[in-house]
Amino acid sequence: DAKTTQPNSMESNEEEPVHLPCNHSTISGTDYIHWYRQLPSQGPEYVIHGLTSNVNNRMASLAIAEDRKSSTLILHRATLRDAAVYYCILRELYGGATNKLIFGTGTLLAVQP
Amino acid sequence: ETGVTQSPTHLIKTRGQQVTLRCSSQSGHNTVSWYQQALGQGPQFIFQYYREEENGRGNFPPRFSGLQFPNYSSELNVNALELDDSALYLCASSLLPGGRRGYTFGSGTRLTVV
Repeated sequence: DAKTTQPNSMESNEEEPVHLPCNHSTISGTDYIHWYRQLPSQGPEYVIHGLTSNVNNRMASLAIAEDRKSSTLILHRATLRDAAVYYCILRELYGGATNKLIFGTGTLLAVQP
Repeated sequence: ETGVTQSPTHLIKTRGQQVTLRCSSQSGHNTVSWYQQALGQGPQFIFQYYREEENGRGNFPPRFSGLQFPNYSSELNVNALELDDSALYLCASSLLPGGRRGYTFGSGTRLTVV
């Protein structure tokens, strides 16, 4: 199974940008890079995903290295509501059409007012 | 549109008992996956159902089983409960098995086995 490596925790100040790194050196050519976040007492929430090109949506931006062995989730202006565990996940093909998400332990983001 | 709803939210069972957890998929989603999340860990994939059939399974014993119904709602059944089964059980639905547009997770069922 392709794995990801993330820092255990990070801190940010409110209204400042946050760059959350992820290493995935064993990524295969067909693996998509997904990011989810989990707020306290809730299930994971989809944030963004990409394959090769950088991606933007209303929640965040995803920057993918040219060799695809690392990626960075960018929150442009952190708010207190962004405090959560952020998971970088490779969406793996498993036995036909099934795609399971392989979660690591994620990065716990603390946002200071 | 409604999201994924799970019931019950909390449950306490005794070792050796059986438990059934329920999940209603997001409207329009025909695929459901179940995950187990131990305290302080990321969720682990149990299995996925698509069109009422199991469509992939993680490293969980056969006492973990599931069902998907024609309305795409789902159940997770665990027999012969063990203390290590204590965890948050998450249900996730997606438009297709590939989940290319992302999975929508419920808030989970917190199961405690004593």
